[in-house]
Amino acid sequence: DAGVIQSPRHEVTEMGQEVTLRCKPISGHNSLFWYRQTMMRGLELLIYFNNNVPIDDSGMPEDRFSAKMPNASFSTLKIQPSEPRDSAVYFCASSFGAGTGHSPLHFGNGTRLTVT
Amino acid sequence: GDSVTQMEGPVTLSEEAFLTINCTYTATGYPSLFWYVQYPGEGLQLLLKATKADDKGSNKGFEATYRKETTSFHLEKGSVQVSDSAVYFCALSDAGGTSYGKLTFGQGTILTVHP
Repeated sequence: DAGVIQSPRHEVTEMGQEVTLRCKPISGHNSLFWYRQTMMRGLELLIYFNNNVPIDDSGMPEDRFSAKMPNASFSTLKIQPSEPRDSAVYFCASSFGAGTGHSPLHFGNGTRLTVT
Repeated sequence: GDSVTQMEGPVTLSEEAFLTINCTYTATGYPSLFWYVQYPGEGLQLLLKATKADDKGSNKGFEATYRKETTSFHLEKGSVQVSDSAVYFCALSDAGGTSYGKLTFGQGTILTVHP
């Protein structure tokens, strides 16, 4: 299995531009998570989906952030407009979430976003 | 809400030294507990897990025991190697039926092992 695939690996953009991060979860997994990692705040859960439906988006910092999962094999995280404080590594993770809490997460290698 | 607290790092050790990274948690109910490891430039990988009290998770020489009475899940390894240098995250998953595998992570502990 190829694992969770994220693209791009690196993104550099100017403040005010739209940024779209992409994720392909592991085939057969039905839960998908978006995390943000920074030195100051560590790992923060932004949003997660189960069976393509957003379950909890309380971690999304503000309306500039939006996430979609149009089908079981693809998700996007969009920032519009981007700001320098959005600079971070964004991770996508998937699992076979049966609701028991025992299933481990499988992480992608992340997208390093730099907003200048 | 749920929370995880890890010992502050960074931790620097010589090869073959004994490693302990402390982790305590606060949760309602009976969570599952995990240790994840992150190597430079990569995503997190599951290292080991324990799903109920007194369970011991182990992998690659690392061990951690789920201690409900002390709400702890300390990571240990008897003899570290240079290749163990990484960031280690303790995490918990609410065992409730609506968690869908959502994890709450500690802040991470940077481990550096010198030859």
